[in-house]
Order: sequence, then C-alpha cells, then structure tokens
Amino acid sequence: EAQVTQNPRYLITVTGKKLTVTCSQNMNHEYMSWYRQDPGLGLRQIYYSMNVEVTDKGDVPEGYKVSRKEKRNFPLILESPSPNQTSLYFCASSKTLKETQYFGPGTRLLVL
Amino acid sequence: AQSVTQPDIHITVSEGASLELRCNYSYGATPYLFWYVQSPGQGLQLLLKYFSGDTLVQGIKGFEAEFKRSQSSFNLRKPSVHWSDAAEYFCAVGASGGSYIPTFGRGTSLIVHP
Repeated sequence: EAQVTQNPRYLITVTGKKLTVTCSQNMNHEYMSWYRQDPGLGLRQIYYSMNVEVTDKGDVPEGYKVSRKEKRNFPLILESPSPNQTSLYFCASSKTLKETQYFGPGTRLLVL
Repeated sequence: AQSVTQPDIHITVSEGASLELRCNYSYGATPYLFWYVQSPGQGLQLLLKYFSGDTLVQGIKGFEAEFKRSQSSFNLRKPSVHWSDAAEYFCAVGASGGSYIPTFGRGTSLIVHP
C-alpha cells in the first residue's frame, strides 16, 4: 500500500531536548516536505527536498533541520525545541510538485 | 509572493444542501491550484487540482471546482452535501514559475447538520 509514515504520532518533550520525527514514503517519490499546522494559520511549509541531498527552506524553517540521505526518508530534527514549536506536523511526498502530494498521518508535538 | 485567502472560517450547511467554499489567490502567473480535505485526526487528502486546460475540474467524492482567472478564484462546490463531508478544507496554490513552496489557505471548517 502506498503510504507516508511518520513516527512518533504523539510526543511530549521538554524545552531543549533534541528530538527527531521520522518520515518515510514507499512510492519512490522525489519531492518531500514538512509542514506544521497551527489553529487559524493553516499549513506552513518548514523544509522541502526535491531529491536526495537536495533540501531547501520553506516559509518557517527557524529552529528546524532536515536531511535527505535516502530517497525514502526525510527526518525532521529539532535540535533545541521550544514551546512555540508545539504544533501538529505533517510530512508529505509527491513524484514532482505538480503531482498529488500524499500526506502522512501527522505528529502531534507538545514542548513543555 | 503568492497568497491564498479562504474568507470563511466556518460554514454550516444542512445535509443534502449544496455547498460552495470560497478560495481567492494572488499570484502573478498561472498558478497550480489544489483543494485538500482533512478529516478529524487525519492527514490531508487531495480532492482535486488545476494546472491548465478546462477551468471546471472534477474531483473525488463528488466535488468540483472552477478556476476563474478574472476573479482570481478557485471555489469548491458540491451539489448535495453528506454528513461525512464534515471536515476541514484547504485551498492551496503552487507556483508554476519555479518556486516550489506551495501556500495553503487557513482552512474552512465545514459543519453538516442532519
């Protein structure tokens, strides 16, 4: 089954404790991206990647890092999380930007 | 810079009634336009998309949208709403000119009364 998986689905952490949210897709997609969703703000893109070793900033990259060492994986790294990064995070992938984006189920993060 | 406006935060309709969700965009060239639906606790699912050609686009679940360049709009419609359509709907614009950052609207929450 074609899908995008994210782990963990729920995470509670404390300020400053590094964390990684994994994202994996099994569709051989080249384009992957991370979004955060906040009430009243819709989805905002954090980072995107057009292929292996090619990443670029989205609208709200501050406080986040990503890597794309393999085509299927696109982890999101918060080196020193802060409470303002409490949010719902979605990973998405598509063959190209013009193709349908497939979204993961989301990761709900709470930073205390 | 591109932008998307969904002027309605909430829309309430009765089951069986028609539906129109509004979306206005700002972009200098021909945009790529999308409508996504998010059911509670779920990720986003693409309903339909417009890249070029016929300005009336058919999507899944009985939805359609019409691209009107003169009004910079891409409104989503459904002739008869079902209770299962209650969800959050997002309009998005992707730049056709080379930028790879899609912009999402803030979403419209659809409430369906029985």
